[in-house]
Amino acid sequence: GENVEQHPSTLSVQEGDSAVIKCTYSDSASNYFPWYKQELGKGPQLIIDIRSNVGEKKDQRIAVTLNKTAKHFSLHITETQPEDSAVYFCAAITDTDKLIFGTGTRLQVFP
Amino acid sequence: GAVVSQHPSRVICKSGTSVKIECRSLDFQATTMFWYRQFPKQSLMLMATSNEGSKATYEQGVEKDKFLINHASLTLSTLTVTSAHPEDSSFYICSVEGRSNQPQHFGDGTRLSIL
Repeated sequence: GENVEQHPSTLSVQEGDSAVIKCTYSDSASNYFPWYKQELGKGPQLIIDIRSNVGEKKDQRIAVTLNKTAKHFSLHITETQPEDSAVYFCAAITDTDKLIFGTGTRLQVFP
Repeated sequence: GAVVSQHPSRVICKSGTSVKIECRSLDFQATTMFWYRQFPKQSLMLMATSNEGSKATYEQGVEKDKFLINHASLTLSTLTVTSAHPEDSSFYICSVEGRSNQPQHFGDGTRLSIL
């Protein structure tokens, strides 16, 4: 089955700097890769997603890149702000429409 | 606004109690909902897929008699943790499968604490 690995587990950046979180997946049949932001005590919220037919997608300060050959995808947050502090999860969807989550990255943005 | 409503947000109860958690789809009819469990500082693990009008599909290692799922309508799925014990304490989160080609939307979770 699908396995998703995520790095780093924790990431601390200064406000205004960029943050990059990387994930790899194992199932080449996976074709949809969402990223979720989870704040303390809340459920995950979708922040951006990418499908396997594109290599990059951007939404304001957030971008995601996908390398299908290498089975890598990454989240890029530019001009980070303290309110970006949260736990971020990558995920991949299997051929049975199940979401398999990465292990999460705790991002801290210091003012 | 919220797409998925989950209730209650927090439950504290004694060992041996059964606890019911509700998950409602607010914006559209959902034939499929998912139930996840998340232990502290860990990722979300899929427990089961809830299918409207049929039996839920459980992931390997999840006891179906322990975690009863009912998806009686297109907008409501319930998870009942039967005879809960301290090891069942966790954060339970539901999600609703989006319309065709749309992502899953998650509820805000239920923190279950068994004393």
